[in-house]
Amino acid sequence: NAGVTQTPKFQVLKTGQSMTLQCAQDMNHNSMYWYRQDPGMGLRLIYYSASEGTTDKGEVPNGYNVSRLNKREFSLRLESAAPSQTSVYFCATRGQLNTEAFFGQGTRLTVV
Amino acid sequence: DQQVKQNSPSLSVQEGRISILNCDYTNSMFDYFLWYKKYPAEGPTFLISISSIKDKNEDGRFTVFLNKSAKHLSLHIVPSQPGDSAVYFCAASGGGSSNTGKLIFGQGTTLQVKP
Repeated sequence: NAGVTQTPKFQVLKTGQSMTLQCAQDMNHNSMYWYRQDPGMGLRLIYYSASEGTTDKGEVPNGYNVSRLNKREFSLRLESAAPSQTSVYFCATRGQLNTEAFFGQGTRLTVV
Repeated sequence: DQQVKQNSPSLSVQEGRISILNCDYTNSMFDYFLWYKKYPAEGPTFLISISSIKDKNEDGRFTVFLNKSAKHLSLHIVPSQPGDSAVYFCAASGGGSSNTGKLIFGQGTTLQVKP
């Protein structure tokens, strides 16, 4: 029972390269989230998906795209990476409203 | 526009004493609040939560207080232990039709509990 699994754990990109961060959950949750964590900025919501096939922008969506093709998986894509996207990215899932969310272990991304 | 704010970046307390972490929010439509704890190189883990219909929720050494009129919540840890040293995030959800389902976090407070 893995919970929330993020891949990769670490990644270094050159400016302008693209990549997709993967997130998969086995908790049968409807809601999934992508956050980035930066020093002094806390956890900022990038995108949110309430259910399969639906997505909504969060606080800092610029430069990112997401895809929720099925209930289990929610991917985050950087089309043209920039140094400002250097961060730790966390995926989370939540079942019902007014319950807790469960987080993955994070992906540490460095853009040089 | 930061909807959830933790204005104290850090807090240091002595082992055995009380730790009080504070959080303010601006959106009066938020109806569910949570506290998370995060160790380095790990994902955040859920600690305790409170619904807006309550003003207090207790779980062992952890108590969360909610003051809706002041749009303020706090986390009390009594007694504090060295293993409590971590970054603590508060979060809020609800917030009306534009925010339904979203979970908004504050900036975090780093707690250090000294032996």
